[in-house]
Amino acid sequence: AQSVTQLDSQVPVFEEAPVELRCNYSSSVSVYLFWYVQYPNQGLQLLLKYLSGSTLVESINGFEAEFNKSQTSFHLRKPSVHISDTAEYFCAVRPGTYKYIFGTGTRLKVLA
Amino acid sequence: DTGVSQDPRHKITKRGQNVTFRCDPISEHNRLYWYRQTLGQGPEFLTYFQNEAQLEKSRLLSDRFSAERPKGSFSTLEIQRTEQGDSAMYLCASSPPTAGGPTNDEQYFGPGTRLTVT
Repeated sequence: AQSVTQLDSQVPVFEEAPVELRCNYSSSVSVYLFWYVQYPNQGLQLLLKYLSGSTLVESINGFEAEFNKSQTSFHLRKPSVHISDTAEYFCAVRPGTYKYIFGTGTRLKVLA
Repeated sequence: DTGVSQDPRHKITKRGQNVTFRCDPISEHNRLYWYRQTLGQGPEFLTYFQNEAQLEKSRLLSDRFSAERPKGSFSTLEIQRTEQGDSAMYLCASSPPTAGGPTNDEQYFGPGTRLTVT
């Protein structure tokens, strides 16, 4: 069985500071890895994904995540956050089929 | 492309009542998914349709739950005899057909229907 662990339920950070949201997964098979973001009163939006190839993937708004197979991690980072990054972030795995398995989410609160 | 839409956005019902939610996927998306999200948790998979065929149902989907996608376009999720434990956000997602199987298809999520059972 697969599972996803997001240890931090809430992360407060000051504007322009760096942030890392942690994600660890457990799986006996190869998985595809995703980060989704959910802004207040909106649906989940794909932020970035790892399917194969380079282990470092980037989003268009400055986030990046690195797939670390040995540590079974896919942590999300941003060197300088903005107020508009305040949202809930979900890490998910897909074990080669169509079904996502989500973590419990991390609420990022960017402070002015 | 107007995105995935869900109706209603909010539903308050009394325990024991039946409720039905609707999901309209992005046009030409043949894959449709339902998830449930409770407070403090990530979304949990409920069921998956490819066209009109329901290919998988989670064990979370008890006998009181039924989902349909009669013409391979919109989908409905019905909950009969609602219980307080059914209170949650119900999310719908869709994805396009992919040649060679569902390897890397992105799922596009709707805004969800928030159900409160009193």
